[in-house]
Amino acid sequence: NAGVTQTPKFQVLKTGQSMTLQCAQDMNHEYMSWYRQDPGMGLRLIHYSVGAGITDQGEVPNGYNVSRSTTEDFPLRLLSAAPSQTSVYFCASTHRGGNYGYTFGSGTRLTVV
Amino acid sequence: AQKITQTQPGMFVQEKEAVTLDCTYDTSDQSYGLFWYKQPSSGEMIFLIYQGSYDEQNATEGRYSLNFQKARKSANLVISASQLGDSAMYFCAMRDGALSGNTPLVFGKGTRLSVIA
Repeated sequence: NAGVTQTPKFQVLKTGQSMTLQCAQDMNHEYMSWYRQDPGMGLRLIHYSVGAGITDQGEVPNGYNVSRSTTEDFPLRLLSAAPSQTSVYFCASTHRGGNYGYTFGSGTRLTVV
Repeated sequence: AQKITQTQPGMFVQEKEAVTLDCTYDTSDQSYGLFWYKQPSSGEMIFLIYQGSYDEQNATEGRYSLNFQKARKSANLVISASQLGDSAMYFCAMRDGALSGNTPLVFGKGTRLSVIA
């Protein structure tokens, strides 16, 4: 089925470890973004991309890295995991412009111990 | 910078009644888009409804309607004839410069709606 695929769904990391959250979409969306969701905080933007080769920082970018080498993929890298990065992470994509609702992945629940 | 405010952390509504979830926004842009999303307990984000800043009519999608008051910078979601399945977290979101598509979607903190039988 067409949509946004996030892997893994669950992950436990030790402090200091690094990992990559994967996000792929097959809808030819130009626009992709990563959010983290914490209780009482809504969804906060980490990084976003308006097309292959173009990325920009969101509200809470520290400790995260992204790249966009293809239209389909937008991985999020945690460089050195910290307990403060325990959260649910969502990837989302949409066409540029207009009234297109974002399509969200199912989320990754990350725990850093 | 754009900002979304949802002042109701939690709401209760009787089944079959209508309910309004409040959302106010702040932006200096003339062109923007307003969105509402539903997040049930299963965790997925479900797109409900969209309103463009230049749309003269309030958006409607089935039982959902968006009460758009541009001068007050409010974009309240109205759910008619509430159902038990409407119990969820609801997020208001905004995107500046909606027609250019270069700006990200910014979310409010959400309102948890509980529908009572």
